[in-house]
Amino acid sequence: DAGVTQSPTHLIKTRGQQVTLRCSPKSGHDTVSWYQQALGQGPQFIFQYYEEEERQRGNFPDRFSGHQYPNYSSELNVNALLLGDSALYLCASSLVAMNTEAFFGQGTRLTVV
Amino acid sequence: SQQGEEDPQALSIQEGENATMNCSYKTSINNLQWYRQNSGRGLVHLILIRSNEREKHSGRLRVTLDTSKKSSSLLITASRAADTASYFCATAYSGNTPLVFGKGTRLSVIA
Repeated sequence: DAGVTQSPTHLIKTRGQQVTLRCSPKSGHDTVSWYQQALGQGPQFIFQYYEEEERQRGNFPDRFSGHQYPNYSSELNVNALLLGDSALYLCASSLVAMNTEAFFGQGTRLTVV
Repeated sequence: SQQGEEDPQALSIQEGENATMNCSYKTSINNLQWYRQNSGRGLVHLILIRSNEREKHSGRLRVTLDTSKKSSSLLITASRAADTASYFCATAYSGNTPLVFGKGTRLSVIA
């Protein structure tokens, strides 16, 4: 049973570019959440997708957008990249009720230069 | 967004000793979870404790929850070098809200 998989593992982009990160949830999970983790900090919630819709959103600008497909996989898109967007981006999958444990992928390390 | 706060920020102990990390949060919660992160990689779920529970055990891990003080502690007994990692507490304020993480405790276990 594959866990949560994210791609790519590492990425270097230039300021102003756009990036797409991908996530496949754990088998049987229907909810995908995205987090941004800056160096030395805890993960910060970006948004959550369920039934192909953004259900909740954290305090992130509209440059951050996402999508969930019918197979529950998800994408995180970031437009007009800033140097401050450099971080580890984590995807977590769970069942619809968030009062259960979340399973995290290994993350995508994004560096904006 | 509100965060739990772990204490201490960093902890260094000898192999075989016990490690205790604390977490405080601000509002009523549905559950509190502890996660481990090795070297900036993905988070691994350790244990979940619900608001109506006071203590849970899992192997060498013991978690307590005091809702009156809005605090939790994670005890790792007989620590090993492999326990070296960052440990985060995460709170869920209701059944449908996202996890809110603290800044973590960096644990170093010296062989």
